[in-house]
Amino acid sequence: DSGVTQTPKHLITATGQRVTLRCSPRSGDLSVYWYQQSLDQGLQFLIQYYNGEERAKGNILERFSAQQFPDLHSELNLSSLELGDSALYFCASSRIWEGTEAFFGQGTRLTVV
Amino acid sequence: AQSVAQPEDQVNVAEGNPLTVKCTYSVSGNPYLFWYVQYPNRGLQFLLKYITGDNLVKGSYGFEAEFNKSQTSFHLKKPSALVSDSALYFCAIEYSGAGSYQLTFGKGTKLSVIP
Repeated sequence: DSGVTQTPKHLITATGQRVTLRCSPRSGDLSVYWYQQSLDQGLQFLIQYYNGEERAKGNILERFSAQQFPDLHSELNLSSLELGDSALYFCASSRIWEGTEAFFGQGTRLTVV
Repeated sequence: AQSVAQPEDQVNVAEGNPLTVKCTYSVSGNPYLFWYVQYPNRGLQFLLKYITGDNLVKGSYGFEAEFNKSQTSFHLKKPSALVSDSALYFCAIEYSGAGSYQLTFGKGTKLSVIP
């Protein structure tokens, strides 16, 4: 158990809908990352927060947004969903924002139908 | 921009034989390099990292990796493979640059250890 909790584990929704994925980092970790894993694109970095502030942005679509709350949990919002958004979404956390290993949650499997 | 490449999609090795999973990187400064492993239906697990210092890094489950600056490589190795090592392995790079940072992963290499 990595200590990173993601909910829900599975999500099935229709095209055009909006969903929210939640991540609780390990106790004491200030940095949270979001990744998308699909068969054709591999593991893609989406966005990173450190202590509530956005720290880095990767290949995140404009339809996607995220935030980190004062209690350090994070949410990833995906809107106007398309079939191609079906993927495994991982959250990871680490103590600081560079040089330390990240601990991954078990992921949320999103299926858009 | 920083990048990391894993040239092999799949590596097959017989149980008991040494294994190597290759990784090369590209970065303009000094990299932080990591190896992670992913078992089916699980999140990624940290194996080892190179920050600075000794070029040979030892990690979890008997794995080690050698940092080679001249060849810009960070290959993962294990002297004797186990069937339980079969999994997806990811190399990752983190670049310490002014105001910008992200942990970038390679595409992954599927390791199959044959009994």
